[in-house]
Parts: sequence; C-alpha cells; structure tokens
Amino acid sequence: GAGVSQSPSNKVTEKGKDVELRCDPISGHTALYWYRQSLGQGLEFLIYFQGNSAPDKSGLPSDRFSAERTGGSVSTLTIQRTQQEDSAVYLCASSLARGRDTQYFGPGTRLTVL
Amino acid sequence: GDSVTQMEGPVTLSEEAFLTINCTYTATGYPSLFWYVQYPGEGLQLLLKATKADDKGSNKGFEATYRKETTSFHLEKGSVQVSDSAVYFCALVTQGGSEKLVFGKGTKLTVNP
Repeated sequence: GAGVSQSPSNKVTEKGKDVELRCDPISGHTALYWYRQSLGQGLEFLIYFQGNSAPDKSGLPSDRFSAERTGGSVSTLTIQRTQQEDSAVYLCASSLARGRDTQYFGPGTRLTVL
Repeated sequence: GDSVTQMEGPVTLSEEAFLTINCTYTATGYPSLFWYVQYPGEGLQLLLKATKADDKGSNKGFEATYRKETTSFHLEKGSVQVSDSAVYFCALVTQGGSEKLVFGKGTKLTVNP
C-alpha cells in the first residue's frame, strides 16, 4: 500500500518568508509525528498528534513553528519568518496507534533558507 | 531525560567483515528499542526492534539483543555486504506520553568490495 508521503521534496526560501510543509500519513494510522534532521542536532522530535487528543508540541524549537492535523489525516507544519538555522530535512512519520508501534517515515522535505 | 548514545564512526569495513555498532541508552521505565537505517538518497527505514529485556530483533542478517542489565542494544552482522553501506540510527521509545522516538546521532557505515 501507499507509504507516508511528503511535499514538497525540496523547498528553497528566503530568510523571513513563511513555509508550509505537508504530510500524508498511511491510511488508518492515528499517530503522526514530525521530526527534524540536521547536521548539528541529528534527529529530533518536533510534534506529535494522536487522534483527537491535544498534540504534544514539546519539541517545537520556537513559537515560529506550528502544526495542524486536519480530519485526523493530513498534517501541515508551518514555519513563520524562517531563519537560516531552520535549514534541515523535515521528516514525517506515522504509526498505527502508538509510538511503540513501528513508525513509518516519509521521504522528507529538505528546507534551505537562504 | 531519555537519551541514546551510539558510536558515531564513520566505520569502514571490507566486504564479509564482522560488524558491531554499539548503542547504550538511558531511560525511565521500560523502553522499546529500535535500529533504523538510512540508505544513500533514501528515507529512514526500520531495520529491527525489541520491546522487552532479552528480546532479540533480527532482519536482513542483522541482530541486536535488548540487554537491560547493561542498558545496551548493540547491532551486529556476521558478514557485511557493499549494499549495507548506510547510516544506522539506534533509537528508543519510552512508555507513556507521546511515545516519540529518541535517536542516537547515527553511525555511517561504508563497506568496500
């Protein structure tokens, strides 16, 4: 079946612009995660959605970052007033119900802030 | 907080050599442990996992045993191939809360023919 998909695959933006990154999880998966992969910080958790529960936003690095998940499926990660340190690969993952279930990762969105 | 420490490499081996990548963790409760692999130009894939002490995860000739007494989950393969060249990440998920993955920094493996 279809895996996790993300768009765009690459995004180049200018410092100060807003960007939106999209994630389509595997159908039927209730848990959705956003992670960030950068050279300096490795792989780090950003935000977690589970069904209709309030999201866990504890990993968001600043209030410029926000995310939503509509209809329990598609999720959008928004970064406002981008900075050069936001340059990274943003990964989305979904799992059937819980984090202990296998998390399946999308191919990522490579964000470059000039 | 929870953390994972793994040898960072890079590791360079010849084909058919034995591989060990060390991984230790610090966590409250009883974490599930994972090895993920990222092949060049590809996304993260689950390689193997173990959910309780003394469990052995295995896949594609790779093995790792969950050792609670040493808080370790070392990755091993008896005979590596060129196609195993990739970055390997050790990770854990703890009980409760958001059950997010906590990753080690990754180990880049290069296998030469």
